[in-house]
Amino acid sequence: ETGVTQTPRHLVMGMTNKKSLKCEQHLGHNAMYWYKQSAKKPLELMFVYNFKEQTENNSVPSRFSPECPNSSHLFLHLHTLQPEDSALYLCASSQTGSYNEQFFGPGTRLTVL
Amino acid sequence: ELKVEQNPLFLSMQEGKNYTIYCNYSTTSDRLYWYRQDPGKSLESLFVLLSNGAVKQEGRLMASLDTKARLSTLHITAAVHDLSATYFCAVDISGGSNYKLTFGKGTLLTVNP
Repeated sequence: ETGVTQTPRHLVMGMTNKKSLKCEQHLGHNAMYWYKQSAKKPLELMFVYNFKEQTENNSVPSRFSPECPNSSHLFLHLHTLQPEDSALYLCASSQTGSYNEQFFGPGTRLTVL
Repeated sequence: ELKVEQNPLFLSMQEGKNYTIYCNYSTTSDRLYWYRQDPGKSLESLFVLLSNGAVKQEGRLMASLDTKARLSTLHITAAVHDLSATYFCAVDISGGSNYKLTFGKGTLLTVNP
């Protein structure tokens, strides 16, 4: 595997389900990000982790719970989501001390019924 | 609050023509990024502009940054169909310290034969 990978690529869930999104970066970076991309809205930063420590929580509802066990893996745990949470969720990584050029994964297309 | 505005949001152009996409931002920054997104795909990094007057070129695309005017441009020369995609600019106002990017809404470029 190379670059940034995300699983699953597609996810359909009911409002009462609990699911998790997984992101793994193979670039040796130490910062990782979750973004939400909705139709007709700019890309929204959700969370930032730097050396496994959360450095940014962009007023994200608590039904989204991130986890970063190490610099290569990032999870987004989902529970009791709403239909308006349906979106493309993108993971990215970058290297401290570089130009913060962020490299993105392919995304998980989430549909909440 | 930082605002990043791109225009136009939609651009339809003929092959062989030239055009420019503009990215204005509301707060001082010297770090600006351009990304490309193909339909259903993730974001691909195109350019990283790190100082006033920076100019970078790759193929038919050239990006520039004027930090005094808070303006970046993405110039397309002799467009070809393969350039059809959505182009995003993103701004970092932290000086690279907290890795937070604010994205514009994107410009959907369609190049017609």
